[in-house]
Formats: sequence, C-alpha cells, structure tokens
Amino acid sequence: QKEVEQDPGPLSVPEGAIVSLNCTYSNSAFQYFMWYRQYSRKGPELLMYTYSSGNKEDGRFTAQVDKSSKYISLFIRDSQPSDSATYLCAMNTGNQFYFGTGTSLTVIP
Amino acid sequence: IAGITQAPTSQILAAGRRMTLRCTQDMRHNAMYWYRQDLGLGLRLIHYSNTAGTTGKGEVPDGYSVSRANTDDFPLTLASAVPSQTSVYFCASSEGTSTGIYGYTFGSGTRLTVV
Repeated sequence: QKEVEQDPGPLSVPEGAIVSLNCTYSNSAFQYFMWYRQYSRKGPELLMYTYSSGNKEDGRFTAQVDKSSKYISLFIRDSQPSDSATYLCAMNTGNQFYFGTGTSLTVIP
Repeated sequence: IAGITQAPTSQILAAGRRMTLRCTQDMRHNAMYWYRQDLGLGLRLIHYSNTAGTTGKGEVPDGYSVSRANTDDFPLTLASAVPSQTSVYFCASSEGTSTGIYGYTFGSGTRLTVV
C-alpha cells in the first residue's frame, strides 16, 4: 500500500465550478500536509500547507485535514482557466516527504 | 531571482553514457533533494542532503550518485545511463529539515531521455 493515495483524474470542470481534490494516507505519524500546483513542464510550487486537523483558507483555496480519517482535501472556489494544472498533495514526518501522484485539473472557459 | 536553477533543461543521452545534472540554489537553504517524476508513479526521492557535506539515499537511489561540496550546489550523476532512467528530474530545497512547515522550492526540471 502506498503511503499516499491520490486519484489521478483527469478532472474537467466548467469555469466557476467548485473543485474538490482529495488524498488519503496510511501513516498516522504524518504531521504536515501540503498542496502543490504544477503547471505543464514546470516544477511544483507550494500552494498551501497546514499542520492540524481542520480548515485553512487562502483566497479561493481551502485546505481541509481530517486526521481521524487520514483524509485531506483541497477545495477551489470559482475555478478559473488559470487553475488548470496538476495538483499534488504531500505530507511528511521529519524531513521525509511523501507525495501523491497528482490530479490533473482542466477548467474549461 | 531567488530560486533553484537546473541544467540542462532537456537532454537525449545514449545508454551507457555518464551524465551530471546540475542544480544550484541561491536561497542558502540547508536541505536539498533530487526527485524523479514519472507518469503514474509521481515524485520519488532519489537522494537528499540535509546540509553541506552530508548526503543520504532516498527511495530510488540505484544508478545515481550525488555530492554536496557546498550549500548552493547539489549535482546528480548517472554513472552509466539506462533507458529506465528516462524521466523528468527535479531538484528541490528547503530551509529546514526538522519541520515540514517550510515546504519545498522546486526547480523547473530536467527532461532526460535515455536511448
């Protein structure tokens, strides 16, 4: 079993839709939870991070962590074509990071 | 512009040849990492360095070597390339090693094709 599971998609939504991206994990020792956005032929860039269970909001993005269910989510409100990218979840314990395989998102104008 | 510079951006390499992928950061980050990214497999850690002078093996280290002579540079060497090493290689760095709150800064990647 992989440490981190993420549905690869692809996911295609109309502009303005609410997008939900999810990851599950198996290691209860994970402490920090992150979401990275990766545009085509670019390196991943850190989008959001959170430490504890609950929600964290940043503009149109909300990161949600449920440690009891070992489940994290990223919600994108009012999605825009510029949000079209691959989204990777990541989590770690110590300095060992574990990444999901990424979900490809396309927002159609 | 602060960040990570990787070179080359892409390369086609004959099997059996030796190749060094270069990575330089100007953020004075302590920790540096090399990942490979393959479709369906995601990012997999090859080698890492928590600080200059130290290195460690990641999930898929075979066929690769690294060195960390100073804080800024972290080259990755393929001693004798094989087709299974065809991948996109990302160098990354982080400010700390004991907390994930800093996250990683990634380079733009090197696309390597071994034929």
